[in-house]
Amino acid sequence: GAGVSQTPSNKVTEKGKYVELRCDPISGHTALYWYRQSLGQGPEFLIYFQGTGAADDSGLPNDRFFAVRPEGSVSTLKIQRTERGDSAVYLCASSPQGGETQYFGPGTRLLVL
Amino acid sequence: AQTVTQSQPEMSVQEAETVTLSCTYDTSESDYYLFWYKQPPSRQMILVIRQEAYKQQNATENRFSVNFQKAAKSFSLKISDSQLGDAAMYFCAYRQEYGNKLVFGAGTILRVKS
Repeated sequence: GAGVSQTPSNKVTEKGKYVELRCDPISGHTALYWYRQSLGQGPEFLIYFQGTGAADDSGLPNDRFFAVRPEGSVSTLKIQRTERGDSAVYLCASSPQGGETQYFGPGTRLLVL
Repeated sequence: AQTVTQSQPEMSVQEAETVTLSCTYDTSESDYYLFWYKQPPSRQMILVIRQEAYKQQNATENRFSVNFQKAAKSFSLKISDSQLGDAAMYFCAYRQEYGNKLVFGAGTILRVKS
């Protein structure tokens, strides 16, 4: 079966612009996670969905960041008024209900100029 | 809050030899999960091995094995018979038993010399 997919693979934008990053989890996985990985660092948790609802959004850095998962499958991470410090790789992962292991997508590399 | 520390920013190993990557963590929980993930230049995080804290037996997956020392809060990864394809960034990660998010270390770059 297909793994986690993320689009776009790379995104270049200008400071102040709005961007959307998409994640398509493994079919049937109810849990979905977003992480941000800055250069030379480990991924940092942003938000976790169980089904359609955000069960834990404690990692979102500020109110410019928002994520949705309206039908419990595909998720979109939305960043408003982008800043240069938002430049990073954004990773998405999914897991089955009750599963301990998270399966990651290839990430979206965001560059804010 | 839980923290994960990888004290080796970079390691090198000769092809066919054995290398050990270190990881320590800090938690007040008694039950949790520990993971090693591999991240090649393609950025795809690939699960290497997983350990449940309640299991005393160290996990093994083919050439990969761990040395889990619960009292010392240590979780090292041993790679035997290293191959060129093992070259990547390796991350140690922690998850609470009833939690959701993974807490990652800063990573160790592994270089394999032919």
